[in-house]
Amino acid sequence: GQNIDQPTEMTATEGAIVQINCTYQTSGFNGLFWYQQHAGEAPTFLSYNVLDGLEEKGRFSSFLSRSKGYSYLLLKELQMKDSASYLCAVRDSNYQLIWGAGTKLIIKP
Amino acid sequence: GAVVSQHPSWVICKSGTSVKIECRSLDFQATTMFWYRQFPKQSLMLMATSNEGSKATYEQGVEKDKFLINHASLTLSTLTVTSAHPEDSSFYICSAGNLAGGDYNEQFFGPGTRLTVL
Repeated sequence: GQNIDQPTEMTATEGAIVQINCTYQTSGFNGLFWYQQHAGEAPTFLSYNVLDGLEEKGRFSSFLSRSKGYSYLLLKELQMKDSASYLCAVRDSNYQLIWGAGTKLIIKP
Repeated sequence: GAVVSQHPSWVICKSGTSVKIECRSLDFQATTMFWYRQFPKQSLMLMATSNEGSKATYEQGVEKDKFLINHASLTLSTLTVTSAHPEDSSFYICSAGNLAGGDYNEQFFGPGTRLTVL
């Protein structure tokens, strides 16, 4: 079966750095996405990785290792508004997005 | 990024009635639209994938006669929840994509519709 694993909840301090991990087992691989979702809202796109390595976009970076079935989202200089759920999703060989359950990130002052 | 709208943003209805939710891609042509359902504190669950002009493909366990999907144009898809029951209360989110668009295909999400069935 297809599976995406990420931690259920993480807590970090304002101004710090946090890394959210995602491991996956899917039938085929056509890219990995990270989305941010605030409570009661739809997800918003953060990053896309299809090749191994690090993609940096401002305070957010995303890393992919296809051989290990592993990705992480790195958030720097955390702000209170970063409190949200972070969803990892993998596009499989049928171009379907397989979603992780999300990691709820709590930022404390 | 591209803009996807949903209407209504929230709806409350009585048990047994039908509710229609519209999803529109405002500034691009969406060859494919996806409908998701999300229960509180859970991840998105794909309900169905619809391609313009053809029948929707439903995920296992989703009743196609209860959740009617129409994708009549490249900018509009509708989801009708027929004979809604309280267990259908959920957050329904659509997303639109253009799978013909090359190597990088992002799904653009609508703002979601919160359905409450009394």
